[in-house]
Amino acid sequence: GAVVSQHPSRVICKSGTSVKIECRSLDFQATTMFWYRQFPKQSLMLMATSNEGSKATYEQGVEKDKFLINHASLTLSTLTVTSAHPEDSSFYICSVTPGSQETQYFGPGTRLLVL
Amino acid sequence: QKEVEQDPGPLSVPEGAIVSLNCTYSNSAFQYFMWYRQYSRKGPELLMYTYSSGNKEDGRFTAQVDKSSKYISLFIRDSQPSDSATYLCAMILIQGAQKLVFGQGTRLTINP
Repeated sequence: GAVVSQHPSRVICKSGTSVKIECRSLDFQATTMFWYRQFPKQSLMLMATSNEGSKATYEQGVEKDKFLINHASLTLSTLTVTSAHPEDSSFYICSVTPGSQETQYFGPGTRLLVL
Repeated sequence: QKEVEQDPGPLSVPEGAIVSLNCTYSNSAFQYFMWYRQYSRKGPELLMYTYSSGNKEDGRFTAQVDKSSKYISLFIRDSQPSDSATYLCAMILIQGAQKLVFGQGTRLTINP
């Protein structure tokens, strides 16, 4: 399987601050990456599809101005939670998909706690 | 009705038992099927990936797909305490933006 890293693994911040989460594909170049969030005891919810060199595609109900996605290279996508509030506290997970397969490989996740 | 239905459990079985995890789906256009294992506070790990009806075996794990019944299963033989995790089924349409549709996940505990 593919190796995907995320940084940081855990972050605690004050309400109103912005937090940037990095997702790196270590095994191959990924033109497409995905960002999910997961609340306790729930399944993964797709937030957006990150496309290298173009604007991300956001799912319905996800605020694009609040969750900024930048896919500047074929191995790196970033998710910035702007003006974070306690309700943004969640587990954020990215995934990558090899072009030759239809499956996705997930990163280890980033736990965000907004105080 | 959800596109993918999965019993959230929890499911608790003794060590060594055979575990059966299942998902049903409503959209016959789903063509690719996956099972992920997720340990607490970790990202999902791909266990099995298949696109055809029938069985696929990998070690102690067997994935079964029945497209005519829109039903997929994951069997775990000789279950171990280290298999305790949440198991998520996921599937994808043959066309489109490669979006995965997940089941709710089943929490499994293997008791020593």
